[in-house]
Amino acid sequence: AQSVAQPEDQVNVAEGNPLTVKCTYSVSGNPYLFWYVQYPNRGLQFLLKYITGDNLVKGSYGFEAEFNKSQTSFHLKKPSALVSDSALYFCAVRDGAGGYNKLIFGAGTRLAVHP
Amino acid sequence: NAGVTQTPKFQVLKTGQSMTLQCAQDMNHEYMSWYRQDPGMGLRLIHYSVGAGITDQGEVPNGYNVSRSTTEDFPLRLLSAAPSQTSVYFCASSYSARTGELFFGEGSRLTVL
Repeated sequence: AQSVAQPEDQVNVAEGNPLTVKCTYSVSGNPYLFWYVQYPNRGLQFLLKYITGDNLVKGSYGFEAEFNKSQTSFHLKKPSALVSDSALYFCAVRDGAGGYNKLIFGAGTRLAVHP
Repeated sequence: NAGVTQTPKFQVLKTGQSMTLQCAQDMNHEYMSWYRQDPGMGLRLIHYSVGAGITDQGEVPNGYNVSRSTTEDFPLRLLSAAPSQTSVYFCASSYSARTGELFFGEGSRLTVL
């Protein structure tokens, strides 16, 4: 069965410092991996995805993520955090081996960036 | 483009009442889906559709019905509401049924008393 784990409920970072939000996954085939962000009282917004190719994926708002097959991880990173990055972040996965676009989401990690 | 539109944004029901959450997209997306979001549990898939007239169950389908008579609309029906269905509901769509990122609506917050 497919699953996603986000081991941290909350990540606290000072503005200007690098940030990492962790995600590990489990799928039977090749993974399709996604990161989404949710601001208060809003729907989820797509940040980036990994389907195949380069293990380092660049996305919106300066975010990037690194796919690591041996560690089954897809951590979200940003070199310099902004207060406006404070939000709820979700990692999602689906099995790339056929099937439909049914994403499995992690529980979410709340990112708090302090001035 | 409006994207994915959900109505209503807020609703309070009594146990046993029925209601329909509406979802419409104007992007000619093939795939549409409903998720519920509960604290500490992320988003869980309720039902999904890969085209007009085609629907299937997701992870937590019990107590919910869906239909897809047009490409644009994908309503979610609660036949007899229960307190366990108190949640925030999100409709999401994607251009392809097999790939691509999901576009989400703003959500519908449902409280069942």
